[in-house]
Amino acid sequence: KQEVTQIPAALSVPEGENLVLNCSFTDSAIYNLQWFRQDPGKGLTSLLLIQSSQREQTSGRLNASLDKSSGRSTLYIAASQPGDSATYLCAVIGTGTASKLTFGTGTRLQVTL
Amino acid sequence: SQTIHQWPATLVQPVGSPLSLECTVEGTSNPNLYWYRQAAGRGLQLLFYSVGIGQISSEVPQNLSASRPQDRQFILSSKKLLLSDSGFYLCAWSKGGGQPQHFGDGTRLSIL
Repeated sequence: KQEVTQIPAALSVPEGENLVLNCSFTDSAIYNLQWFRQDPGKGLTSLLLIQSSQREQTSGRLNASLDKSSGRSTLYIAASQPGDSATYLCAVIGTGTASKLTFGTGTRLQVTL
Repeated sequence: SQTIHQWPATLVQPVGSPLSLECTVEGTSNPNLYWYRQAAGRGLQLLFYSVGIGQISSEVPQNLSASRPQDRQFILSSKKLLLSDSGFYLCAWSKGGGQPQHFGDGTRLSIL
């Protein structure tokens, strides 16, 4: 059974800092990996999809990396802003027909002024 | 472009009452559809998924059921709600084949 873990569980940084969020998964037989953000009381916003054949994917100040063989992904946020404060979730997409997601435990990020 | 709608946004129901949450997707055809629950302080749990009309798969035994009466409509139901059914319910869609999932805004369900 796939298990996904995110470290740290919570993180507080001053505005302007670069930061890295970590995600690890136990079964490397994944289709792809998806990063989301969730604001309090809201749904999930998709940030990046990184395909299993890729090593990196970038969108603006966000960069996600994937090392499928070691079961790890990182989300790098450059020049953090208070608007980045949210919970960040990684999820692996399974290889079955339904492409089911297995979610990590999340990292709650607070960017302070 | 594709959009996903969930309603209602908030619902307060007494124990033992029925439930119907609706989710619709626009701008795509034959999507995979998913229902998740996020309990307070806990992670996201997949409840049901559907790869086609009338095809429903359940991930966990529970007091809830799902139906897909039309291609882009997914309904979550219960005949009698329990206190443990409280939570934040999210609907999502994807094209399958490893494509990304896209989520609705969720329904916050409180059981009294």
